[in-house]
Amino acid sequence: EVQLVESGGDLVKPGGSLRLSCAASGFTFSNAWMFWVRQAPGKGLEWVGRIKSNTDGGTTDYAAPVKGRFTISRDDSKNTLYLQMNSLKTEDTALYYCTYLSLGYWGQGTLVTVSS
Amino acid sequence: DNQMTQSPSSLSASVGDRVTMTCRTSQSIGKNLNWYQQKPGKAPKLLISAASSLQSGVPSRFSGSGSGTDFTLTISSLQPEDFATYFCLQIYTVPLTFGGGTKVEV
Repeated sequence: EVQLVESGGDLVKPGGSLRLSCAASGFTFSNAWMFWVRQAPGKGLEWVGRIKSNTDGGTTDYAAPVKGRFTISRDDSKNTLYLQMNSLKTEDTALYYCTYLSLGYWGQGTLVTVSS
Repeated sequence: DNQMTQSPSSLSASVGDRVTMTCRTSQSIGKNLNWYQQKPGKAPKLLISAASSLQSGVPSRFSGSGSGTDFTLTISSLQPEDFATYFCLQIYTVPLTFGGGTKVEV
């Protein structure tokens, strides 16, 4: 059974940092291009970024609102995806999902609240 | 960026109705479009990939069509469990872009 389990969400002050994790199981994680998607409370879905598999170069792409502040990485030995978030803003408040987009697998999300 | 316009933003329907919603992209994306269903408090569920390919386990009352810049999701006979919000997503190019969603209400 495929599982994606996010963790690390928390309440953080503006300007602060947070690292989210996504533990994957049930599929060959090292082959997967992985994505982060977020959803602000009561709003629609927003693509945050992606990381290719290491065999495809392991490169990353980011949405404009987070570029330069967020970093996606992966540890294939631990089947884990990460999202390092720095210089957080109130508008980053959202439920953050990791997703294996091409096969339609999503985690349950982890909530990040940025507030003073 | 490839802008995505989804319409309507909400619609009111009854069980048994035929429901249609559309997504329009600002640039051609071929058939590189997915449709998702999301219920409150739940992660999105992939219904249709590649514009018209029904995912395993998704009822056949759901169908997708279109290519290029115009895409449609149709529910042929709305069931009680279909009341939800639906999103389209273009996966042709980064940044990936979602439609704003269509909320299907009673």
